[in-house]
Amino acid sequence: DTGVSQDPRHKITKRGQNVTFRCDPISEHNRLYWYRQTLGQGPEFLTYFQNEAQLEKSRLLSDRFSAERPKGSFSTLEIQRTEQGDSAMYLCASSSGVYNEQFFGPGTRLTVL
Amino acid sequence: ELKVEQNPLFLSMQEGKNYTIYCNYSTTSDRLYWYRQDPGKSLESLFVLLSNGAVKQEGRLMASLDTKARLSTLHITAAVHDLSATYFCAVDDHTDKLIFGTGTRLQVFP
Repeated sequence: DTGVSQDPRHKITKRGQNVTFRCDPISEHNRLYWYRQTLGQGPEFLTYFQNEAQLEKSRLLSDRFSAERPKGSFSTLEIQRTEQGDSAMYLCASSSGVYNEQFFGPGTRLTVL
Repeated sequence: ELKVEQNPLFLSMQEGKNYTIYCNYSTTSDRLYWYRQDPGKSLESLFVLLSNGAVKQEGRLMASLDTKARLSTLHITAAVHDLSATYFCAVDDHTDKLIFGTGTRLQVFP
């Protein structure tokens, strides 16, 4: 069991550029979540998938953000036209079963200059 | 809208002492989770509490859930330095997503 993995671990970009992050969940987990965490705060929900279906999106997720989970396996989160306010840690988690214990990946730290 | 509050936000305690972190939430839920986060790291699952009166223990940490009071506690017994971290509680809002508290930053000193 390799756990949840995320790539890249760090990303520095200039304002206005597009960035894409990848998450590979635990292989038997059918649910996949994206959260965002800023310094000193708890994670905030962004969106989640059950298999390949995107079931919910937060109001935090502006139209510059898009997420996909083709074939119900890995997921990508793309941010278009990045802004300095997008700087944060982007966390991916996966779960399965009725208890919904979510296991988190190491995160991708985004810095927008 | 479900809100989750933790207190204290910061806790500095001496090794060997006991203390309790509190987690209150605003609407009904019967699934509550505790996580630990070390600086610059991701979240590690500690406890899953699924019913009223649930109690889980692991080492020096014990978590409990009172769904009627909408309260969970994380009790630390005889603290050691290795427990220094930020602890988050999170509540399932009935749609499978987790709503997190602001975290309690724990520092244990000799």
